[in-house]
Amino acid sequence: EPEVTQTPSHQVTQMGQEVILRCVPISNHLYFYWYRQILGQKVEFLVSFYNNEISEKSEIFDDQFSVERPDGSNFTLKIRSTKLEDSAMYFCASSEMEGTQYFGPGTRLLVL
Amino acid sequence: AQSVTQLDSQVPVFEEAPVELRCNYSSSVSVYLFWYVQYPNQGLQLLLKYLSGSTLVKGINGFEAEFNKSQTSFHLRKPSVHISDTAEYFCAVRVSYQLTFGKGTKLSVIP
Repeated sequence: EPEVTQTPSHQVTQMGQEVILRCVPISNHLYFYWYRQILGQKVEFLVSFYNNEISEKSEIFDDQFSVERPDGSNFTLKIRSTKLEDSAMYFCASSEMEGTQYFGPGTRLLVL
Repeated sequence: AQSVTQLDSQVPVFEEAPVELRCNYSSSVSVYLFWYVQYPNQGLQLLLKYLSGSTLVKGINGFEAEFNKSQTSFHLRKPSVHISDTAEYFCAVRVSYQLTFGKGTKLSVIP
């Protein structure tokens, strides 16, 4: 069964550093998403992406964040200058037109 | 804006007993409803979904949920739980592109 994959599974970085989280969505899916889950809190929507542009974003997704689909298979989330409060589990998801979103296993980001 | 309330943060239940995990939502527009399960140290796995049609939906691992529009609820049920059902369960509502999640319910199955 096809699945969403994410790399790395864990990332530790210093405050102020840039990080790039990578995702490979399910191959025939057209919509891509990033969510995050701060420890002990809700899963929160960050951004959705379709046809090479952002279709929707939350208040969390400020100028420090960006997304890109650099080739036909990868979907990335970049955080330009990480802060302590960016420490969280980041989930990538993808969907077909019908809207059921399938999630990857997540990347646990720790900012020191 | 939409919101999801999961009334129970933790639910302990004995093995082979029935369980119901409660979920209420609020939205001013039609919604799609989902339950996801997160096993320890894993990602979110789709358990079941309601998009339209029959209000009783069946999912994987013997779970089912009933959409009740008048009560704005989408409670998850299983008639007999197993140890392997120990996990965190998230109810979510989809409006437009984004999913809005509840805080989650941790189900602990006691042998």
